[in-house]
Amino acid sequence: AQSVTQPDIHITVSEGASLELRCNYSYGATPYLFWYVQSPGQGLQLLLKYFSGDTLVQGIKGFEAEFKRSQSSFNLRKPSVHWSDAAEYFCAVDNYGQNFVFGPGTRLSVLP
Amino acid sequence: DVKVTQSSRYLVKRTGEKVFLECVQDMDHENMFWYRQDPGLGLRLIYFSYDVKMKEKGDIPEGYSVSREKKERFSLILESASTNQTSMYLCASKAQGRSYEQYFGPGTRLTVT
Repeated sequence: AQSVTQPDIHITVSEGASLELRCNYSYGATPYLFWYVQSPGQGLQLLLKYFSGDTLVQGIKGFEAEFKRSQSSFNLRKPSVHWSDAAEYFCAVDNYGQNFVFGPGTRLSVLP
Repeated sequence: DVKVTQSSRYLVKRTGEKVFLECVQDMDHENMFWYRQDPGLGLRLIYFSYDVKMKEKGDIPEGYSVSREKKERFSLILESASTNQTSMYLCASKAQGRSYEQYFGPGTRLTVT
């Protein structure tokens, strides 16, 4: 069965520091991968997605993610974190066009 | 802009009540979804629908039912609410095809007392 793991439940970084959020997936075919962000009390917003082409994809709010097939990973990165990036982040894989399988989420805290 | 709206942001119901959560999307999407979100468990799929009057069970359908009579509207029904259904409920919609993302509503925080 398809699955997505996000090994870090909670990460704390200082404002201005770089960020990497990990995502690993298990999928039997070419994966279609997504990263979402959820600010407190809000729904989920798409940051970026990957399904083919360049393995480094750019998203909104200065985020990027790199697809590594050999490692079954799709890690999210940002070079310099802002206080407004404090939120919960979800990685997801498309489940053969039917629905998405979401990871458990990583909560990001940002220190001033 | 795609808009997914949910009928209530906050809802408080009593045990045993029948509860309706409504979701409406304005982008003519074929697919619609209901999730519940609990701390540490992420998003768990309750039901989804890929067409009017069609529905598929997700991972945790027990205690829930759904209705999709019109393309833009997808309702989640708790036939007899219980305290373990206290949660955040998120609705989403998506166009047909693997490369399309899901668009989410703001969520309904349901408390069952």
